[in-house]
Amino acid sequence: ILNVEQSPQSLHVQEGDSTNFTCSFPSSNFYALHWYRWETAKSPEALFVMTLNGDEKKKGRISATLNTKEGYSYLYIKGSQPEDSATYLCASSPLQGAQKLVFGQGTRLTINP
Amino acid sequence: DAGITQSPRHKVTETGTPVTLRCHQTENHRYMYWYRQDPGHGLRLIHYSYGVKDTDKGEVSDGYSVSRSKTEDFLLTLESATSSQTSVYFCAISEDRLGIQYFGAGTRLSVL
Repeated sequence: ILNVEQSPQSLHVQEGDSTNFTCSFPSSNFYALHWYRWETAKSPEALFVMTLNGDEKKKGRISATLNTKEGYSYLYIKGSQPEDSATYLCASSPLQGAQKLVFGQGTRLTINP
Repeated sequence: DAGITQSPRHKVTETGTPVTLRCHQTENHRYMYWYRQDPGHGLRLIHYSYGVKDTDKGEVSDGYSVSRSKTEDFLLTLESATSSQTSVYFCAISEDRLGIQYFGAGTRLSVL
């Protein structure tokens, strides 16, 4: 079983500030790294999927990077807004069995107005 | 929710009773998954299916069984529910090679 760790577990950020958090995963037998956004009372929604070392993805004010050699990914949010409040999950999939995701425990982000 | 319906959405049952949760998709995706979500654990995979009648275990499969007789339906059965199976259960589907998953709305199960 892969061990995917996210830090911090929770984060409070002032509106307008930028923030980032980390996902670490085993670098051996790696296939893909996913980020999901999960709002309270809703279902997780895919943000990004990355496979190559050095990959960077961006969607609006949210971006992510991937380092497969050292086994970590960063998620960045620029100019946080209240609607960014959510739990952000990362998940890793192995080379064999790429359809099976192992999720981290999530980072719960709260944006204070 | 990307054409995914979970039923029931809420269920309260007693210890020792059998429970079946249903996931129905209209996307014709090949892969279907059942996860449970518990505080401090994120999402943990129970079972998944990679085709009709093809299923495999996830990391927390003990006490659960699944069946997939049609592409669109994936059933999760708790043969004899226990209080430790009180949780929120999510179904997900996937088709593409990268494994991007789309989630249903969840089923909240309470075992008393």
